[in-house]
Amino acid sequence: EVQLVESGGGLVQPGGSLRLSCAASGFTFSTYWMSWVRQAPGKGLEWVANIKQDGIEKYYVDSVKGRLTISRDNAKTALYLQMNSLRAEDTALYYCARIYHSSSGYGMDVWGQGTTVTVS
Amino acid sequence: EIVLTQSPGTLSLSPGERATLSCRASQTVTSSYLAWYQHKPGQAPRLLIYGASSRATGIPDRFIGSGSGTDFTLTISRLEPEDFAVYYCQQYGSSSSTFGQGTKVEIK
Repeated sequence: EVQLVESGGGLVQPGGSLRLSCAASGFTFSTYWMSWVRQAPGKGLEWVANIKQDGIEKYYVDSVKGRLTISRDNAKTALYLQMNSLRAEDTALYYCARIYHSSSGYGMDVWGQGTTVTVS
Repeated sequence: EIVLTQSPGTLSLSPGERATLSCRASQTVTSSYLAWYQHKPGQAPRLLIYGASSRATGIPDRFIGSGSGTDFTLTISRLEPEDFAVYYCQQYGSSSSTFGQGTKVEIK
């Protein structure tokens, strides 16, 4: 079964740090782009970051640049989000997602259930 | 950054009716990079449409994506009870991505 399972969320004070993890299984992790997407309470979905298969090419939404870092370990089939200098506005449910990316289209076709980060 | 504006914010319809959801982009979006998702409370989002008009695996054919350039549409031809949810469009391009603010389809 194709699966993504996030962990590492919790309550942290403003300015603090947290590291989210996403364990992937059931597919060849190293061949997919991966992403973090978040949803603040009562708000819509917000794209946070993408990372290419090799872990070198990375992209971020402007509001998290310099504070949040996406990374991956293909040997462990794991995706990470290192969160530093956290702010109240980072409070959200964080999803990891697999990116389907081909000449025919792009979409996030597998999602985890999310892990909650509260900055307060 | 490309801004996606979805309309209407809320759509009140009855089962069996047709739903038409709009997603308008502030700049041209490459059709290959326009996707639609369904999101229900307490669940992970679900990919419905990628490449503006291709249905994802297992998605019923009542979900139809169309459009190009800056105007995209998701049509649900006949609403089933399980279709009442929030729907988001998403674009990817130039090393970034954005979601629309969502359209809630609720039972009338």
